[in-house]
Amino acid sequence: DAGVTQSPTHLIKTRGQQVTLRCSPKSGHDTVSWYQQALGQGPQFIFQYYEEEERQRGNFPDRFSGHQFPNYSSELNVNALLLGDSALYLCASSLSGTVNSPLHFGNGTRLTVT
Amino acid sequence: GQQLNQSPQSMFIQEGEDVSMNCTSSSIFNTWLWYKQDPGEGPVLLIALYKAGELTSNGRLTAQFGITRKDSFLNISASIPSDVGIYFCAGHPWVGGNEKLTFGTGTRLTIIP
Repeated sequence: DAGVTQSPTHLIKTRGQQVTLRCSPKSGHDTVSWYQQALGQGPQFIFQYYEEEERQRGNFPDRFSGHQFPNYSSELNVNALLLGDSALYLCASSLSGTVNSPLHFGNGTRLTVT
Repeated sequence: GQQLNQSPQSMFIQEGEDVSMNCTSSSIFNTWLWYKQDPGEGPVLLIALYKAGELTSNGRLTAQFGITRKDSFLNISASIPSDVGIYFCAGHPWVGGNEKLTFGTGTRLTIIP
């Protein structure tokens, strides 16, 4: 039973560039959430996707966008990268419509912006 | 963005000791979760709490949902080396809600030889 998988594991980009991170949810899950975790901090909610639409969004600028595909996998896109975007980006999946369905996290993509 | 306040920020203990940590919020949450994160990995759910006053155990771990709904506590008994890591609390305004979780700042647990 595959858990949440994310790719790539590490990425180095330059300021102003664009980046795409990918996530495959745990088998049987249909909802994907993205979190940003800065060094020494707890994860911060970016947005959640269900049925290929953004369902909820945290306090992040429009430079952060996402997509969910029919197979429930998801992408996180960040445009015009800033140094402050350097962080661990975590993907989490869950099953919608299930009471108390906990989030299952992947191991993240470590993004470094230079 | 908002983060829950966790204390202590870090703990240095000897193997076999008991550990206590807490998490506080300025607003009410109706779901409290405790996660552990090891280096290079994502957070793993330890305990979920859905009712004020609830006390739930998972092996040597026990967590409590504060009656004010503005705090939660995690205790670890008889610590072992694999308990090392960062412990995060997380909260949600709804019972069982998992969209837009608010996480704490973390408590880093280190076991000294």
